[in-house]
Amino acid sequence: AQTVTQSQPEMSVQEAETVTLSCTYDTSESDYYLFWYKQPPSRQMILVIRQEAYKQQNATENRFSVNFQKAAKSFSLKISDSQLGDAAMYFCAYTWGGGSEKLVFGKGTKLTVNP
Amino acid sequence: GAVVSQHPSRVICKSGTSVKIECRSLDFQATTMFWYRQFPKQSLMLMATSNEGSKATYEQGVEKDKFLINHASLTLSTLTVTSAHPEDSSFYICSARLFGTDTQYFGPGTRLTVL
Repeated sequence: AQTVTQSQPEMSVQEAETVTLSCTYDTSESDYYLFWYKQPPSRQMILVIRQEAYKQQNATENRFSVNFQKAAKSFSLKISDSQLGDAAMYFCAYTWGGGSEKLVFGKGTKLTVNP
Repeated sequence: GAVVSQHPSRVICKSGTSVKIECRSLDFQATTMFWYRQFPKQSLMLMATSNEGSKATYEQGVEKDKFLINHASLTLSTLTVTSAHPEDSSFYICSARLFGTDTQYFGPGTRLTVL
């Protein structure tokens, strides 16, 4: 079964510092995609970053980057130079090819940014 | 780009009435849309997958006759909660998959309160 595990229910970081959110997944698929979504208090789900499993290079979007370890089935999110606006729930998600299209979500990590 | 709207953002109704929620992809065509339900402090739970011009595919445990889904065009899907009861009160979120990609973009959500 495809599952996504986020082992950190809550994390906190000081403004301007770096924080890493963990995510592991379980799959037998070879063609799949991984995502991090952010859900601020407004509850709007916002795509943060996307990684294709066949790409070895880690995805980067400005201050957000991932550490994709395919063999370990690990997909962590690093937020550099944390800002107050980064405070939110972060969900790791996975989908696979072959026409499934479903997103499987982890339970989320609540990130607090301290001024 | 890739903006998804939902209407209404909040709705309060009496028990036994029906409520319709609209989900629109504003600047792209979405052959596939998804409906999720989110309980407080929890992750998203997929309810159904909606493909344009065909019947929706419901997840196990989701009542098809209670949650009617219609996807009549490439930019619009609707969720109708029929004969709503207080236990249907929740936050409902739709998403649309950008055609030809694996990425889902989310609407801002609808908070349903059934009295």
